[in-house]
Amino acid sequence: AAGVIQSPRHLIKEKRETATLKCYPIPRHDTVYWYQQGPGQDPQFLISFYEKMQSDKGSIPDRFSAQQFSDYHSELNMSSLELGDSALYFCASSLLGETSQETQYFGPGTRLLVL
Amino acid sequence: DQQVKQNSPSLSVQEGRISILNCDYTNSMFDYFLWYKKYPAEGPTFLISISSIKDKNEDGRFTVFLNKSAKHLSLHIVPSQPGDSAVYFCAASRIKAAGNKLTFGGGTRVLVKP
Repeated sequence: AAGVIQSPRHLIKEKRETATLKCYPIPRHDTVYWYQQGPGQDPQFLISFYEKMQSDKGSIPDRFSAQQFSDYHSELNMSSLELGDSALYFCASSLLGETSQETQYFGPGTRLLVL
Repeated sequence: DQQVKQNSPSLSVQEGRISILNCDYTNSMFDYFLWYKKYPAEGPTFLISISSIKDKNEDGRFTVFLNKSAKHLSLHIVPSQPGDSAVYFCAASRIKAAGNKLTFGGGTRVLVKP
């Protein structure tokens, strides 16, 4: 079965540079989530999109922005990168069912290292 | 303030025996709970979920129990297999129209010994 695809899998950037992470959800899924997992930490919710509209926002820095496109893929744009942005970034997708109990399926993650 | 807690950072169990992982939550608005398994450098893999209207859900070797009054859930894996060695995350969400963000616990590292 098709899974969530994230690219790139690994990314190395310098401080103050920008980075763009891409996420391709499972086909027919309408909701995309972004999570950040720092070293030794649990995943923290950043932002989500439902049908191309922002649906919820977590602890996402103002330096970050994201959007969901017409083909449902999503991009997380990160500017003025800081050392503390080094983390695993996960994308998850889900299909909102009639009960609103949807299961989120995660991609393999993008490991970002800021030097 | 951590709303979802997994108080046992690690668990070691013999192959074939039962693994019991615990999770506590503080937010009474949570009404959907999930368990994920995670290997290093990979994304979390969905295992099993339970709605707050149920107290038990079973899928193969995995059973999740929910005690709403105690705000406690547990995951039972039986029998445990060496391939089950991974970090297990408990997660909770609120059912709403769209975008049910997950709040994760800190994870429990399980080691199944052959």
